[in-house]
Amino acid sequence: DAGVTQSPTHLIKTRGQQVTLRCSPKSGHDTVSWYQQALGQGPQFIFQYYEEEERQRGNFPDRFSGHQFPNYSSELNVNALLLGDSALYLCASSLTTGVDEKLFFGSGTQLSVL
Amino acid sequence: KQEVTQIPAALSVPEGENLVLNCSFTDSAIYNLQWFRQDPGKGLTSLLLIQSSQREQTSGRLNASLDKSSGRSTLYIAASQPGDSATYLCAVLLPSSDMRFGAGTRLTVKP
Repeated sequence: DAGVTQSPTHLIKTRGQQVTLRCSPKSGHDTVSWYQQALGQGPQFIFQYYEEEERQRGNFPDRFSGHQFPNYSSELNVNALLLGDSALYLCASSLTTGVDEKLFFGSGTQLSVL
Repeated sequence: KQEVTQIPAALSVPEGENLVLNCSFTDSAIYNLQWFRQDPGKGLTSLLLIQSSQREQTSGRLNASLDKSSGRSTLYIAASQPGDSATYLCAVLLPSSDMRFGAGTRLTVKP
């Protein structure tokens, strides 16, 4: 049973460019959340998708957008990249949004903006 | 605004020692609290999840407690091993479905 998979594992972009990160949830999971983790910090919640809609959003600008597909996989898009967007981007999946559900995380995409 | 703090930021212990990691949060309106392990440059692995109505959870050498009224949780690791070396993060699940993380405690267990 495959866990949460993310692609690519590493990415280098320049300021002003756009990037798309991809996530496939654990088999049977229907909810996907995205997090940004800066070096030495805990992850910060970007947004959560369920039934192809954004359910909740953290304190991130509109440059950060996402999408969830019918097969529950998800994309995170970041436009007009800034140096400060350099971070590890983590995808987490769960079954529904039940409070007793553990989150399963992927290994992340390390984004470097030069 | 919910703030999650973890103390200490880093900890180094000799192999075999029992240790306690601390987590505090400012708002008791949480659904659950989870402890995660993160190896360098990797994703997070959930270790223990404590519902807001529970007091503790155990898994093997790990025991986590939750005192919601005082906004505190501890992760107890018994008989530490070099393989336990990692960063340990606690996180609280808010009613808004936002999971708020602490900055983590970087643990080193020396052989």
